[in-house]
Amino acid sequence: QSALTQPASVSGSPGQSITISCTGTNSDVGGYNFVSWYQEYPGKAPKLMIYDVSNRPSGVSNRFSGSKSGNTASLTISGLQAEDEADYYCSSYTSSTTLYVFGSGTKVTVL
Amino acid sequence: EVQLVESGGGLVKPGGSLRISCSASGLTFSRYTMNWVRQAPGKGLEWVASISSLSRYIYYTDPVKGRFTISRDNAKNSAYLQMNSLRAEDTAMYYCASRRDGYNYFDFWGQGTLVTVS
Repeated sequence: QSALTQPASVSGSPGQSITISCTGTNSDVGGYNFVSWYQEYPGKAPKLMIYDVSNRPSGVSNRFSGSKSGNTASLTISGLQAEDEADYYCSSYTSSTTLYVFGSGTKVTVL
Repeated sequence: EVQLVESGGGLVKPGGSLRISCSASGLTFSRYTMNWVRQAPGKGLEWVASISSLSRYIYYTDPVKGRFTISRDNAKNSAYLQMNSLRAEDTAMYYCASRRDGYNYFDFWGQGTLVTVS
């Protein structure tokens, strides 16, 4: 069982905004501003989309944004496009012996 | 362009051993902590191990402690994962991922190498 809880699936129509939640504990998401998000297409390597809760790496569309409140982090995709259809994983640094934990993953479907 | 290329995966029997490698290019390898992250078929991502730039700090997830050993050779821009006493539950795609020393996100990933224990 994954340490961070994400919804299994989220869907939206082109142009809409969707939000993916990532819920952890005080030992990970709530305790540090070290949440990151990754996009994964089937059979491809994951790609960093957001780091340190809300920062976008160079080259990532500004349609992707991140935030955090308490033990829950969120990834918002605005102006949804067909190319956004992929799996998304959150990750957080953790104070446990496992340095980093990932979420269970969310499949985004563009209707 | 940064490239991380994994190799060495394959089919191994339970209790067997395997060594997978990650060759890096396009980045200052000696400034990065290298990590292995795995993904079992149909499952999510799981961080497995990390080794800091000068091999000073090494960490493992609990399920692999005592069985897996991470190492690196900065002269060869390569990282390795020696896996012993393999179990069926170790079956996964193993990704090499880089993380700058002192930072807490994985900025570059390889395409992965598949390890099947059966």
